[in-house]
Amino acid sequence: GESVGLHLPTLSVQEGDNSIINCAYSNSASDYFIWYKQESGKGPQFIIDIRSNMDKRQGQRVTVLLNKTVKHLSLQIAATQPGDSAVYFCAEGSGGSNYKLTFGKGTLLTVNP
Amino acid sequence: DTAVSQTPKYLVTQMGNDKSIKCEQNLGHDTMYWYKQDSKKFLKIMFSYNNKELIINETVPNRFSPKSPDKAHLNLHINSLELGDSAVYFCASSQVDGGTQYFGPGTRLLVL
Repeated sequence: GESVGLHLPTLSVQEGDNSIINCAYSNSASDYFIWYKQESGKGPQFIIDIRSNMDKRQGQRVTVLLNKTVKHLSLQIAATQPGDSAVYFCAEGSGGSNYKLTFGKGTLLTVNP
Repeated sequence: DTAVSQTPKYLVTQMGNDKSIKCEQNLGHDTMYWYKQDSKKFLKIMFSYNNKELIINETVPNRFSPKSPDKAHLNLHINSLELGDSAVYFCASSQVDGGTQYFGPGTRLLVL
């Protein structure tokens, strides 16, 4: 399968379960955080974002939690479906006039029917 | 309608050749980016342009030259291709510098 040789962190869940994907970021000056979903053969797709002045944000079936104290970000997916199977990336934004996103390593989520 | 499009989708070429990848966005965004994704799925920014002006150049070899003819297009020209250039290259755009970035489908480059 696609995961062979990738050495990505992986998470395997049963359909209908809740999934939690974690991310540690490095730059305490980062003020913007985004989760992206990348399906096989496609580009990263925006899921949800959060600014550093918030600690929680909810979307449709997804919630992002931000803990600035320990520089930790998580993505919770409720009632995970087979279509949620993908690689999930967190990204942190910083830089002022040279603003850029720095992407994390990615987590491969596999949903078993 | 595709918001961010790239051509070609696949590119197979010999070492030493010169090739270009094109990107267009129809979102009316001001800022465009090029990223490289390696075989381990690590995604790293290469360049960003805001209103046709280069903002970020992340220590990319000067064999890579981005060109922005207008703010809806950002092309990437690569000279003297090397084996290590094999990767997936993604274009992205955002409404403003620092805004949410939307990605194209990627160009899979294989250098033989």
